[in-house]
Amino acid sequence: RKEVEQDPGPFNVPEGATVAFNCTYSNSASQSFFWYRQDCRKEPKLLMSVYSSGNEDGRFTAQLNRASQYISLLIRDSKLSDSATYLCVVNLADSWGKFQFGAGTQVVVTP
Amino acid sequence: DAGVIQSPRHEVTEMGQEVTLRCKPISGHDYLFWYRQTMMRGLELLIYFNNNVPIDDSGMPEDRFSAKMPNASFSTLKIQPSEPRDSAVYFCATNRPPHRANTGELFFGEGSRLTVL
Repeated sequence: RKEVEQDPGPFNVPEGATVAFNCTYSNSASQSFFWYRQDCRKEPKLLMSVYSSGNEDGRFTAQLNRASQYISLLIRDSKLSDSATYLCVVNLADSWGKFQFGAGTQVVVTP
Repeated sequence: DAGVIQSPRHEVTEMGQEVTLRCKPISGHDYLFWYRQTMMRGLELLIYFNNNVPIDDSGMPEDRFSAKMPNASFSTLKIQPSEPRDSAVYFCATNRPPHRANTGELFFGEGSRLTVL
């Protein structure tokens, strides 16, 4: 079983709609969680960190569910520019540095 | 700051040749990571360093792969001999642990796209 798993998609979303997807992680002691965005043939870039209480950044909302070991990302009012692959990242428990990436969820926003 | 700088951006080589990928981290970042990305396997952590010391190399596929960080401003990933299955995009990333306003964000270079024929 992979340490970090994501639905690969693609999620085809009409412009203006809301889309949400999850990421599950296997190590219950994991401490730090992030969502990264990767555009085609580009490097990943941080979208947002995920905090225990949940957090929002504009149209993006991230949630952490430690009991069920998943994090989620919700995008409201989708824009064409939101089309990308969204990577879930978990820092495995015991020491800072062992970041594991999910395979990514592809989102395609259509006009 | 110039960000993480990787070279070469593209490399095409023949099976059996030695390949050396280079990375210059962001100044002050004491963690450096090498990742490999393929369509089939996604982003895989190969090895990471803290203060120039390798901490975890369990992701290095086999002995053909080696990585060094001789000083705080330079790291290399070497493949010798290279094989077609090594074809991938190799990313270098750096960061600092989270502290106050620092979120612990990973900063990636633009990657080195390797094709082994």
